[in-house]
Amino acid sequence: DAEITQSPRHKITETGRQVTLACHQTWNHNNMFWYRQDLGHGLRLIHYSYGVQDTNKGEVSDGYSVSRSNTEDLPLTLESAASSQTSVYFCASSRTWGSGELFFGEGSRLTVL
Amino acid sequence: KNEVEQSPQNLTAQEGEFITINCSYSVGISALHWLQQHPGGGIVSLFMLSSGKKKHGRLIATINIQEKHSSLHITASHPRDSAVYICATADMRFGAGTRLTVKP
Repeated sequence: DAEITQSPRHKITETGRQVTLACHQTWNHNNMFWYRQDLGHGLRLIHYSYGVQDTNKGEVSDGYSVSRSNTEDLPLTLESAASSQTSVYFCASSRTWGSGELFFGEGSRLTVL
Repeated sequence: KNEVEQSPQNLTAQEGEFITINCSYSVGISALHWLQQHPGGGIVSLFMLSSGKKKHGRLIATINIQEKHSSLHITASHPRDSAVYICATADMRFGAGTRLTVKP
């Protein structure tokens, strides 16, 4: 069965370190998204991609970057982790922008000490 | 003010009750998603709708694009329906979620 997977599921890191969260989907979806979920804020869009070599900033992109070198993967990188980036991160994909069902990964809980 | 507002924030019901969760948005949209997040965190898409009504089992979602309002209904609620329900516009603006607890 097609799926979307995130890794690692849990990570603890220190302030200033670079962290990369992986997202891999096997649906061959063009659209991929990264969100963070925090108490009191709900889900907020960090970055998104419409396809290979395309990346776009979302609502809360500062301190994060993504790259899309193939259809299956959209890794999220925190160049210099900050305590404010402690959160649960979700990756999602969809076949069509705006009208397609969203498929979510299981989430990655990141703690920055 | 959030562009996507959900109500209520929290809802407790007895098993068997009819549940309604509301979502209002202030931006023009082409479609809206309803998502379910169970304790433990996984998020599942329930519906994506752009007009009228959709039904899946005991869940019904309606939307009025002109009035910028959508509702999610659960008939004959069950404790396994306990979860956070989230609405999201097609351009990825999310409501804060409604936490539903159904007691046996």
